[in-house]
Amino acid sequence: DAKTTQPPSMDCAEGRAANLPCNHSTISGNEYVYWYRQIHSQGPQYIIHGLKNNETNEMASLIITEDRKSSTLILPHATLRDTAVYYCIVRVTANSGAGSYQLTFGKGTKLSVIP
Amino acid sequence: NAGVTQTPKFQVLKTGQSMTLQCAQDMNHEYMSWYRQDPGMGLRLIHYSVGAGITDQGEVPNGYNVSRSTTEDFPLRLLSAAPSQTSVYFCASSYDRGYEQYFGPGTRLTVT
Repeated sequence: DAKTTQPPSMDCAEGRAANLPCNHSTISGNEYVYWYRQIHSQGPQYIIHGLKNNETNEMASLIITEDRKSSTLILPHATLRDTAVYYCIVRVTANSGAGSYQLTFGKGTKLSVIP
Repeated sequence: NAGVTQTPKFQVLKTGQSMTLQCAQDMNHEYMSWYRQDPGMGLRLIHYSVGAGITDQGEVPNGYNVSRSTTEDFPLRLLSAAPSQTSVYFCASSYDRGYEQYFGPGTRLTVT
């Protein structure tokens, strides 16, 4: 799996957009970009994923650069409840063959939303 | 839907004791897995299952057993607990291998 690089921490003012960057310069053509977050003491929560087009759902938007070497997760109006560690993961899609489909969680970005 | 549930939430064991961590999901997911998370570290895969009757080892399987007799349940057994197994354990499920995974709330295990 491709390795990802994220800043260790970020602050964001409540109500403002939080933009979390992720570099994945060795991503392969069949690898998706996934984002999860882990709020303190809870299980990780799936946020969004994409291949090469920008994606949006009720939680966030995902912007992937044209060369797919980096991406940005956008929380449009951050709230205090968005304070969490955010993980960017690149992984092959379903139907990719055998294997565990292990999610490799790095250290992520600790986002602190400030009142 | 309750999603992924785990019991117990907290457990303290003495070295050498055995116990089973329970995991259940009501989403009819085929793929289930167990991770452990140690302080300051990412999640590491212990065991996984791609369907009832099928299990396999992950990254750190030693000291743990699993079975999958039904689609809904995927228990994790510690045969002889050791202090190195003190950790937070998360169970996860997904529609199939490669789809987004949904995690339970975790079981915090301390082995003394």
